[in-house]
Amino acid sequence: AQRVTQPEKLLSVFKGAPVELKCNYSYSGSPELFWYVQYSRQRLQLLLRHISRESIKGFTADLNKGETSFHLKKPFAQEEDSAMYYCALDSSNTGKLIFGQGTTLQVKP
Amino acid sequence: DGGITQSPKYLFRKEGQNVTLSCEQNLNHDAMYWYRQDPGQGLRLIYYSQIVNDFQKGDIAEGYSVSREKKESFPLTVTSAQKNPTAFYLCASSTRLAVDEQFFGPGTRLTVL
Repeated sequence: AQRVTQPEKLLSVFKGAPVELKCNYSYSGSPELFWYVQYSRQRLQLLLRHISRESIKGFTADLNKGETSFHLKKPFAQEEDSAMYYCALDSSNTGKLIFGQGTTLQVKP
Repeated sequence: DGGITQSPKYLFRKEGQNVTLSCEQNLNHDAMYWYRQDPGQGLRLIYYSQIVNDFQKGDIAEGYSVSREKKESFPLTVTSAQKNPTAFYLCASSTRLAVDEQFFGPGTRLTVL
């Protein structure tokens, strides 16, 4: 079965420290992967998608098919990065997303 | 303020009553989705619709029903058969293209007393 796992419920770092939010998926085909973010009192919104190979707000994510991972990284965390982050998988190209459990990122001053 | 709207923001119902949550979008999107968000479980798909007058069950459809009579609207009914309905419900929409972004509404928090 397709599944997305985010092993950390909470990740707490100091401002300026590197950040890596982990995401592992189970799917045998070619997945489409996304990171969504929910800032406090805001709607859930798309942060980035692997197909675009883009960097948004300093965040990047690389698909590693061998390790079935799509970890989200940022070299220097900012306080405004504090939010809930969800990794999501579209396994059948239908737009039907499977979400991970979410990781709360807390960036301390 | 355009985009996708959900109403009401908070909803209280007595056990055994059906309740309908509203979701409207003016983005001209073909696809619409309902998710349930519970602490520690992420978002789980309840129902989705790729086009008017058509919808499919998601992973946790039991106890829920939907309709898609208009492109702009995708209401969700939480029936008395749903064993644990108290949750935060999110509606989303997207174009039909598979890898397109989903746009989310602000959510409705349903509490069953």
